[in-house]
Amino acid sequence: DQQVKQNSPSLSVQEGRISILNCDYTNSMFDYFLWYKKYPAEGPTFLISISSIKDKNEDGRFTVFLNKSAKHLSLHIVPSQPGDSAVYFCAASETSGSRLTFGEGTQLTVNP
Amino acid sequence: DTGVSQDPRHKITKRGQNVTFRCDPISEHNRLYWYRQTLGQGPEFLTYFQNEAQLEKSRLLSDRFSAERPKGSFSTLEIQRTEQGDSAMYLCASGYSSPLAFFGQGTRLTVV
Repeated sequence: DQQVKQNSPSLSVQEGRISILNCDYTNSMFDYFLWYKKYPAEGPTFLISISSIKDKNEDGRFTVFLNKSAKHLSLHIVPSQPGDSAVYFCAASETSGSRLTFGEGTQLTVNP
Repeated sequence: DTGVSQDPRHKITKRGQNVTFRCDPISEHNRLYWYRQTLGQGPEFLTYFQNEAQLEKSRLLSDRFSAERPKGSFSTLEIQRTEQGDSAMYLCASGYSSPLAFFGQGTRLTVV
């Protein structure tokens, strides 16, 4: 039962353009969402989060959008840089809960 | 460095041997998590501590796995009678009374 799904295993974009990574969830109890970035042989690094009371959260080049009715969130990176090349994981939790439920990840490649 | 620290970074063991991993969380964090990640998948929740109390365990955590967090500081994860299917990246994370968790660099376990 995959409660968080990232349907695109990979995404390739040109440097300077926008990267859009998508995530869908099925559990209506999820009310807190996070994006992590992971380089090979390292642990995930927290990027940005959003609570279900918001529909957008922005931090520098990173913006997360939440569409609760569609149970969908997306991460926008603009402008994309080669150093952004990594695996991006979407994660979700109930605020009162403890565990994070992760998607399968999307490998982003930003080409110079 | 005040991040989450895990030791060892890599462990190769023979099938049937016991292994123990250590995690030192960020000092002010009262929550500590263990996750497991296999190739091509997102991290999967194993167990969670609030201070020294183990509050939640995943069904993934078979009886060969045991975790402790004495005195609410560092934590250990022991796997007894290792199997080839235990080969994975074991990730520790810590947080403070919210689902947001900060991950260590992980311990890569290879069972041969």
